[in-house]
Amino acid sequence: AQSVSQHNHHVILSEAASLELGCNYSYGGTVNLFWYVQYPGQHLQLLLKYFSGDPLVKGIKGFEAEFIKSKFSFNLRKPSVQWSDTAEYFCAASGYSSASKIIFGSGTRLSIRP
Amino acid sequence: ETGVTQSPTHLIKTRGQQVTLRCSSQSGHNTVSWYQQALGQGPQFIFQYYREEENGRGNFPPRFSGLQFPNYSSELNVNALELDDSALYLCASSLDRGRHNEQFFGPGTRLTVL
Repeated sequence: AQSVSQHNHHVILSEAASLELGCNYSYGGTVNLFWYVQYPGQHLQLLLKYFSGDPLVKGIKGFEAEFIKSKFSFNLRKPSVQWSDTAEYFCAASGYSSASKIIFGSGTRLSIRP
Repeated sequence: ETGVTQSPTHLIKTRGQQVTLRCSSQSGHNTVSWYQQALGQGPQFIFQYYREEENGRGNFPPRFSGLQFPNYSSELNVNALELDDSALYLCASSLDRGRHNEQFFGPGTRLTVL
């Protein structure tokens, strides 16, 4: 069955700390991978995406993610977080032939202490 | 802001009733996807419409149905409401149905079933 797992439900960091949010997926065939962010009171928006090519993907606001096929992982990283990064983060996946149906993980709530 | 709008913002219904939620897609987009996001969970794919035809469906019962109109706006209808239908309902529009097309999410409709 297709699934996406995020093991950290709530992460609390201080400003300037480094961030890594874990994501593992289970998907047959070619997979597209995404990280979405939902800031308080705002729409869900795309942070970054991986379709093919370089497994290290850079997104907006200094975020990056690394696709490791052997580990079925797509972890999100940021070297130095800011208070404005406080948000809910969702890892997601879609398959090559399933149009644009996206399967989301359960989300990780990130709280940044000023 | 993504250009995707949803109405109403909030809705309260009782068990057994029917509800219709509406979505206006971003200008130029012909594909609309609907997702259900229960509290503390990631969005779950309900179905997708492409050029007025259903183009894929998730694991939701037939009492969840939809429509897409010639202007590509869309409706989600839920019959015989159950308590577990309480959730945030998100629609997302994309330029086309292919996997490379980014989905832009609306703000959602919060449905409460009493």
